Amino acid sequence: DIQMTQSPSSLSASVGDRVTITCRASQSINNYLNWYQQRPGKAPKLLIYAASSLQSGVPSRFSGSGSGTDFTLTISSLQPEDFATYYCQQSYSTPFTFGGGTKVEIK
Amino acid sequence: QVQLQQSGPGLVKPSQTLSLTCAISGDSVSSTSVAWNWIRQSPSRGLEWLGRTYYRSKWYYDYAVSVKSRISINPDTSKNHFSLQLNSVTPDDTAVYYCARTATAGMYAWFDPWGQGTLVTVSS
Repeated sequence: DIQMTQSPSSLSASVGDRVTITCRASQSINNYLNWYQQRPGKAPKLLIYAASSLQSGVPSRFSGSGSGTDFTLTISSLQPEDFATYYCQQSYSTPFTFGGGTKVEIK
Repeated sequence: QVQLQQSGPGLVKPSQTLSLTCAISGDSVSSTSVAWNWIRQSPSRGLEWLGRTYYRSKWYYDYAVSVKSRISINPDTSKNHFSLQLNSVTPDDTAVYYCARTATAGMYAWFDPWGQGTLVTVSS
């Protein structure tokens, strides 16, 4: 199975901050990498697919980059509704696997 | 707009069978460009993909090794839904269970949308 490792596991930030979350795969997955946002009590919501493609309706302050084993999710200017947990997920091969999550909290 | 609506019991006794259903609106379970998945989430396991079914002239099934001996995912074309059955459950199967569609573009795939989630507790 492909292991997905996210860092940090949590971070504190203020509204307006630039936030970067990283995700590392245990082997090359090309750019078969997706990012999700999960708010408490809700299902995950797709933000980014294919490493850098923004899902329709997602604000442009979210962006993704990377290829191979190293990927990044960036929020350019953190908004109050962005405080949530973020997950990466590889779609290179089954079993599809997720990172452990990064909880973004209010400073 | 595709929507997934989950139903099923929130409490299952140990050794019994967990059964959940995911009703699809805005798409077809027989669509040849998507797949239909079950995923669970618990504090100990995080987000864990359990398996999928999809139709490409015939039905295909993929299951995670961790549950392969106990799981069954079944499509129902007459009701446009798909179901999860997990046999011989233990307290370790306690989790929030989600259904989700795999949408695709070429070789790329992602989970969207997701069902609302069902907390299933395994306890006597």
